[in-house]
Amino acid sequence: RKEVEQDPGPFNVPEGATVAFNCTYSNSASQSFFWYRQDCRKEPKLLMSVYSSGNEDGRFTAQLNRASQYISLLIRDSKLSDSATYLCVVNKVGSNYQLIWGAGTKLIIKP
Amino acid sequence: EPEVTQTPSHQVTQMGQEVILRCVPISNHLYFYWYRQILGQKVEFLVSFYNNEISEKSEIFDDQFSVERPDGSNFTLKIRSTKLEDSAMYFCASRGAGTSGDNEQFFGPGTRLTVL
Repeated sequence: RKEVEQDPGPFNVPEGATVAFNCTYSNSASQSFFWYRQDCRKEPKLLMSVYSSGNEDGRFTAQLNRASQYISLLIRDSKLSDSATYLCVVNKVGSNYQLIWGAGTKLIIKP
Repeated sequence: EPEVTQTPSHQVTQMGQEVILRCVPISNHLYFYWYRQILGQKVEFLVSFYNNEISEKSEIFDDQFSVERPDGSNFTLKIRSTKLEDSAMYFCASRGAGTSGDNEQFFGPGTRLTVL
């Protein structure tokens, strides 16, 4: 099983719709979880950290399900500018510094 | 807003040549990282650097690679003898002084390395 696994997509979604995607992680001892956004040929940028209680930032909601070892990202009222690849990132257990990156889910918002 | 900068934006080199990729982290940051992303693939951790020494490195970071902080601002990645498979985007990142792994890492725009 891959350490961090994501559906590569693409998810083709009409503008204004709600879209959600999940990411599974293999190590139950993982403690830190993040969603990054990466535009084509650009650097990753932190979208949000994922906390145990779930968290929301505007149109974006992140959830953590430890029992099933997945995190999710929900985007409401999607905008054309949300088109990007969303990267699921998890800390490497036993490491202070290493992050393990998923391959990303590509999202395309259509007008 | 402070940002991480990287030079050059694109480096083309011949196989076997040495390359140095340069990064200027955010000025008050203490933790520095290099990542690699082969085109179409996931981001991969290479190395982390703190207090003028390597903190951790991945299996990718073999003897061909080295990092240095030659002065108070630059952070460099050297590849001694480049191979075709070193062709990738190399991202530098830095983060602040907190010890928590949750502190955000800020990424530079990357250097695209092409080995011919």
